[in-house]
Amino acid sequence: DIQMTQSPSSLSASVGDRVTITCRASQSISTYLNWYQQKPGKAPKLLIYAASSLQSGVPSRFSGSGSGTDFTLTISSLQPEDFATYHCQQSYSTPPWTFGQGTKMEIK
Amino acid sequence: QVQLQESGPGLVKPSQTLSLTCTVSGGSISSGDYYWSWIRQPPGKGLEWIGYIHYSGSTYYNPSLKSRLTLSVDTSKNQFSLKLSSVTAADTAVYYCARDFAWGHPDYSYYYQMDVWGKGTTVTVSS
Repeated sequence: DIQMTQSPSSLSASVGDRVTITCRASQSISTYLNWYQQKPGKAPKLLIYAASSLQSGVPSRFSGSGSGTDFTLTISSLQPEDFATYHCQQSYSTPPWTFGQGTKMEIK
Repeated sequence: QVQLQESGPGLVKPSQTLSLTCTVSGGSISSGDYYWSWIRQPPGKGLEWIGYIHYSGSTYYNPSLKSRLTLSVDTSKNQFSLKLSSVTAADTAVYYCARDFAWGHPDYSYYYQMDVWGKGTTVTVSS
């Protein structure tokens, strides 16, 4: 299976900050990488697909980049509703799909 | 707008079979572009993809669960289901169903993304 590793595991930031989360795959996955946001007690929500495409309805302050093994999710200006856990997930070639361990974003 | 809703027992005894159903509303389960996934999240932990099924009956199971897992689909009811046998405490988790949208060029590997999720249902394995 392809292993996905996110860093950092947790992050403290302030409203208005620009933040970046990194996801690394154990082998090249081209751009077969998705990002999800999960709030406590809620289901994950798709933010970014195919590494850099913004899901419909997601604010433009979210952006994704990368290809191969290294990917980033950037939030250009943190808003109060952005404090959540973020997960990356690969969908390269054939299943099983795998997720990173998650990055918990907290208010500083 | 497509919505998914999980249903099933919240408590299962060890060694028994966990059975869940996901009901799809607002759209047809029989669209060729979609696969229907199950994902779980143990308390305080990350997400684990369990497997998916296509309306045609085609399945893919996570090898870590394959020996205990059965996925099925009922197009007449617009539902798909999960059965996980011989459960232990390690199977305690929130279980989610999700729509897995497949797209791309047939000459290349398709992209998949889970774009619609159910709210999740908590399953506890305990005697």
